[in-house]
Amino acid sequence: GAGVSQSPSNKVTEKGKDVELRCDPISGHTALYWYRQSLGQGLEFLIYFQGNSAPDKSGLPSDRFSAERTGGSVSTLTIQRTQQEDSAVYLCASRPQAKGGYTFGSGTRLTVV
Amino acid sequence: DAKTTQPPSMDCAEGRAANLPCNHSTISGNEYVYWYRQIHSQGPQYIIHGLKNNETNEMASLIITEDRKSSTLILPHATLRDTAVYYCIVRVVRQGAQKLVFGQGTRLTINP
Repeated sequence: GAGVSQSPSNKVTEKGKDVELRCDPISGHTALYWYRQSLGQGLEFLIYFQGNSAPDKSGLPSDRFSAERTGGSVSTLTIQRTQQEDSAVYLCASRPQAKGGYTFGSGTRLTVV
Repeated sequence: DAKTTQPPSMDCAEGRAANLPCNHSTISGNEYVYWYRQIHSQGPQYIIHGLKNNETNEMASLIITEDRKSSTLILPHATLRDTAVYYCIVRVVRQGAQKLVFGQGTRLTINP
């Protein structure tokens, strides 16, 4: 597609349940990022994939968070045993390898009740 | 570990130039400055980026000081649709990995 697509756009889950968030980057973009934005806050880096290199997981807040990127394209962010503090908008961005701006998706709004 | 400092809010009259400052005094030689904006409930939108030369595109101009410790984003003729949170970001390069480190941004309000 023309842009970065994220699904679902909204997700409400019960505390303790697992959730999966999906990101479809722009075709051909080798770099993919996940960010989290809590209400009224700036963006918090979570994880970064670049081609076949090992991902940079330095921003993941706990071991309940994990992400994978299959075939260098689609990425899934998984949150296990969700907590209320996980409620936020989760944003995905992709970027061409060489240069240019990062294109963000519209995000998934996660609400843990 | 955001490396930028911005005023939390600014106002500008419609039709005037909006000048948004950013301090990045600890920037390293190979780190780019990026500007994004975020309109309520949307993902961040790319505006412009640069390394050391001034840059201009259809949206804005980016002026980077010679010592690279600060920059200014200029929206030449602000419209009401430019009301948004503007993020000045340094693209950090660490151990070969590149990532954008966001600060709190400047909430720009364009007034009619």
